[in-house]
Amino acid sequence: KQEVTQIPAALSVPEGENLVLNCSFTDSAIYNLQWFRQDPGKGLTSLLLIQSSQREQTSGRLNASLDKSSGRSTLYIAASQPGDSATYLCAVTRNNNDMRFGAGTRLTVKP
Amino acid sequence: DGGITQSPKYLFRKEGQNVTLSCEQNLNHDAMYWYRQDPGQGLRLIYYSQIVNDFQKGDIAEGYSVSREKKESFPLTVTSAQKNPTAFYLCASSGTGGETQYFGPGTRLLVL
Repeated sequence: KQEVTQIPAALSVPEGENLVLNCSFTDSAIYNLQWFRQDPGKGLTSLLLIQSSQREQTSGRLNASLDKSSGRSTLYIAASQPGDSATYLCAVTRNNNDMRFGAGTRLTVKP
Repeated sequence: DGGITQSPKYLFRKEGQNVTLSCEQNLNHDAMYWYRQDPGQGLRLIYYSQIVNDFQKGDIAEGYSVSREKKESFPLTVTSAQKNPTAFYLCASSGTGGETQYFGPGTRLLVL
């Protein structure tokens, strides 16, 4: 059974810092890996989707990498802003649309 | 204006009562999903449907039921058999073949 773990569970940084969020998964037979953002009491917003054949994806200040063989992904946020404060969820998908989520990292960026 | 909607935003359930959460999408997606989110935990899959009139149990289906009579709609009923229903419920939809899932805004269910 696929297990997805996110470290750290919570992170607080001053504005302007670069930061890395970590995601690990136990079964490397994945179709894709996705990073989501969730604001309190809201649904999920997709940030980056990495297909299993890809190594990384970039969108603005966000960069996500994928190392399937080691079962790891990182989400890099450059020059963090208070508006980046949210919970970031990692999810891996198997071929049958079965998506497994980590518990998330709650990020606070202080002005 | 394409998207996925959920209603109501908040729902209160009395003990022994069945309640139904609505999920509608106009993205022409074949697949739809229901997840439950508890504080400090990741999303857990309750039910999913890959085509009209067909659905499959997820990891925590006990105490829940669904129907998929129309492509656009995938309502979730929380039955009286679900002893701990207080949670945040998220609906999602996607195309087939491992495409990204699009999420609704969620429904928070509380027990009176």
